[in-house]
Amino acid sequence: AQSVTQLGSHVSVSEGALVLLRCNYSSSVPPYLFWYVQYPNQGLQLLLKYTTGATLVKGINGFEAEFKKSETSFHLTKPSAHMSDAAEYFCAVITGGNKLTFGTGTQLKVEL
Amino acid sequence: NAGVTQTPKFRILKIGQSMTLQCTQDMNHNYMYWYRQDPGMGLKLIYYSVGAGITDKGEVPNGYNVSRSTTEDFPLRLELAAPSQTSVYFCASTATGFDGYTFGSGTRLTVV
Repeated sequence: AQSVTQLGSHVSVSEGALVLLRCNYSSSVPPYLFWYVQYPNQGLQLLLKYTTGATLVKGINGFEAEFKKSETSFHLTKPSAHMSDAAEYFCAVITGGNKLTFGTGTQLKVEL
Repeated sequence: NAGVTQTPKFRILKIGQSMTLQCTQDMNHNYMYWYRQDPGMGLKLIYYSVGAGITDKGEVPNGYNVSRSTTEDFPLRLELAAPSQTSVYFCASTATGFDGYTFGSGTRLTVV
């Protein structure tokens, strides 16, 4: 069964520092991978997705992720954190029936 | 363009009561989903639908029921509410899955 694992339930960075949120996948077939962001008391919003083609995917708000098959990873990065990036981030993979299976989430805290 | 609309936003139920969480989308999406979100657990799929008249169980269906009589609506029914059903519930829809989901803003349910 396809699944994703997010390493680190809480990540704290300084404003202006690099953001790195880790996601590893398990799949016997080429995976379709997603990153979602959830701001407090809101629903989830799509940040970016990898389906086919270019392995470096750019998303909204300056985020990007690189699909690395050799490492079974799809880590989310942003060169310079902003206070407004504080939120919970979820990695997800499409499974049968167009169903999304989510990781357990990473809470990002941005400090001055 | 309203997207996915969930009602109510908040609800407190007593043990043993029943209620229906409403979900409506105006994007003509065939696929609709119900997830519950618990702290540190990510999102778990309760039920999903691939089109009007077709529903299927997800990972955690016990204690819930759904129906899909129209493309737009996908209500979630809780019978005999239990404290274990205290959670935040999200409805989502998609046209193809690979485009990503559109989420509602959630219903926060407390069972006391």
